[in-house]
Amino acid sequence: QLQLRESGPGLVKPSETLSLTCTVSGGSISSSSYCWGWIRQPPGKGPEWIGSIYYSGSSYYNPSLKSRVTISVDTSKNQFSLKVRFVTAADTAVYYCARREEDTATVDLWGQGTLVTVSS
Amino acid sequence: QSALTQPPSASGSPGQSVTISCTGTSSDVGAYNFVSWYQQHPGKAPKLMIFEVTKRPSGVPDRFSGSKSGNTASLTVSGLQAEDEADYYCSSYAGGNNFVFGGGTKLTVL
Repeated sequence: QLQLRESGPGLVKPSETLSLTCTVSGGSISSSSYCWGWIRQPPGKGPEWIGSIYYSGSSYYNPSLKSRVTISVDTSKNQFSLKVRFVTAADTAVYYCARREEDTATVDLWGQGTLVTVSS
Repeated sequence: QSALTQPPSASGSPGQSVTISCTGTSSDVGAYNFVSWYQQHPGKAPKLMIFEVTKRPSGVPDRFSGSKSGNTASLTVSGLQAEDEADYYCSSYAGGNNFVFGGGTKLTVL
């Protein structure tokens, strides 16, 4: 059964870059049936879509975050990654990696999530 | 893109039915039949309960149902059970490979 797992630092200083990696296990990231995305959820709030990437490397971003975000994919490692530049306290959230099914435009699988706190 | 609007709370007694609304715009909920609902228990990742407005993934009880009218989608939980107590979030495709989520509704089983 396919699983997603996020990894990366839990604490990032203001103005620095948040970097997370999602490892896909139990299946291949190189599938045209799926797109791979990042979602974050600030404490006590609803989720926010950050962006997504296809295994080909085509990426798409939430317009509100586009200027600070980069998503990349490494098919040889079955991983995709997130970078958020110039972070502030408002970027503190649980970050989830997720799979989106193409035909139904549905996020059908989430990682367990990782809390990233922005603080000096 | 703005968040979808959900009531902050809903409640019902065991066995009763409760409906949670999710209001968007003509650019998201009203434009696409790609509305999903997620259940989230504390400290856990969201779990898909409804997709494409009305469809249930395998393993989700048929007590959960979805519908849509115009810019508003709804989730109905029938025959409430204690384990249904959780936060529920709606989501809609918003075009351009983007999605928008609701602020969440805390469902309490009295």
